[in-house]
Amino acid sequence: EIVLTQSPGTLSLSPGERATLSCRASQSISNNYLAWYQQKPGQAPRLLIDDASRRATGIPDRFSGSGSGTDFTLIISRLEPEDFAVYYCLQCATPPLTFGGGTKVEVK
Amino acid sequence: EVQLVESGGGVVQPGGSLRLSCAVSGFSIDDYAMHWVRQAPGKGLEWVSLIAEDGDRTFYADSVKGRFTISRDKSKNTLYLQMNSLRTEDTALYYCTKATGWTPEYWGQGTLVTVSS
Repeated sequence: EIVLTQSPGTLSLSPGERATLSCRASQSISNNYLAWYQQKPGQAPRLLIDDASRRATGIPDRFSGSGSGTDFTLIISRLEPEDFAVYYCLQCATPPLTFGGGTKVEVK
Repeated sequence: EVQLVESGGGVVQPGGSLRLSCAVSGFSIDDYAMHWVRQAPGKGLEWVSLIAEDGDRTFYADSVKGRFTISRDKSKNTLYLQMNSLRTEDTALYYCTKATGWTPEYWGQGTLVTVSS
């Protein structure tokens, strides 16, 4: 199975700052079928990015995804108060699908 | 409007069984791939199972293979997860999701399964 490693585990930033989240795969993800999700306490995850770089419907353009092969990045260009949450990557290319362990973006 | 409503969770003893249901509206369940994803209390997300659009291909996490079965009923527009031989480590909130391609896009609010003696 493809193992996804997210880093850092926790990111402490202030509103307005830029957040850079990493997701590294143990083997190449075909067709870059990698997605990013945001989850807030008590809520279901929300799809932000699919196919590594395509923003989902209604997602603000401060969220961007990039990468290919084994290395992927989610960038939040300027953190808004509502962006403090946990972020997960998911590879959808090869069953069994696998999630990364998550990155918590917290207020500094 | 796409809606997914899970049900069937509860408290069950180790070794027991439960069947989760996910009633969907706003789309036809046999036109899309569907997933079950779970989240243990205070932990991260864990993918559980996928049924492909064609309904013939199903896939499972190693942790549930041979114990869980995913299925769907087009006439009821409902997705199921039959869970047998439950273990304490299966305790989690179980989400049903509708996929675009194979990417989970729409999520329900989840149903809680607690395996405890």
